[in-house]
Amino acid sequence: GQQVMQIPQYQHVQEGEDFTTYCNSSTTLSNIQWYKQRPGGHPVFLIQLVKSGEVKKQKRLTFQFGEAKKNSSLHITATQTTDVGTYFCAGGNNAGGTSYGKLTFGQGTILTVHP
Amino acid sequence: GAVVSQHPSWVICKSGTSVKIECRSLDFQATTMFWYRQFPKQSLMLMATSNEGSKATYEQGVEKDKFLINHASLTLSTLTVTSAHPEDSSFYICSALPTGRVDEQFFGPGTRLTVL
Repeated sequence: GQQVMQIPQYQHVQEGEDFTTYCNSSTTLSNIQWYKQRPGGHPVFLIQLVKSGEVKKQKRLTFQFGEAKKNSSLHITATQTTDVGTYFCAGGNNAGGTSYGKLTFGQGTILTVHP
Repeated sequence: GAVVSQHPSWVICKSGTSVKIECRSLDFQATTMFWYRQFPKQSLMLMATSNEGSKATYEQGVEKDKFLINHASLTLSTLTVTSAHPEDSSFYICSALPTGRVDEQFFGPGTRLTVL
């Protein structure tokens, strides 16, 4: 079945440093979504990428979707303590039928930011 | 914004008993809901896709008779863990996909199940 690998598992940064997490799928994806989960909380949707080579920005966050639609990255510029949490990528493969909307989550990257 | 609730937020039960967890979309309709299981500091593992008015679709390795799913309305899906055992202890999270949408899933706050 479809597998989504995400690295690194952990990342510790000083406040102000940049951070990047990478996601790689074993199969071509219909879309990729990114979620953030704060400690003790539930995943919160950040963004969805659909097009090959797509790049989207949200303030200090930059999301990329690879040309082959098999990999993606999330880059945070100048991290802040509020960025702390686990970032998950989730690959979608809308083959239709029972696969509609179904996501396969990566392992997540736990980000800690030291002030 | 779209809100999904889960009840109960935590439950402790004895081995052999059954536990029902509810997932509700409060301000939108969801033809499709998903049930995930999450272990500490680990990823979300999709257990099953719950479709309103039809049978749930289970992922490989998930026992249908163990984890009963009922999606009786467009705003409610339930997961029943039958004959729970300590190894079923986990964090169960549901998500709801608004009807007609293909992107953002809205997650519930999760249910912490502890089986003694």
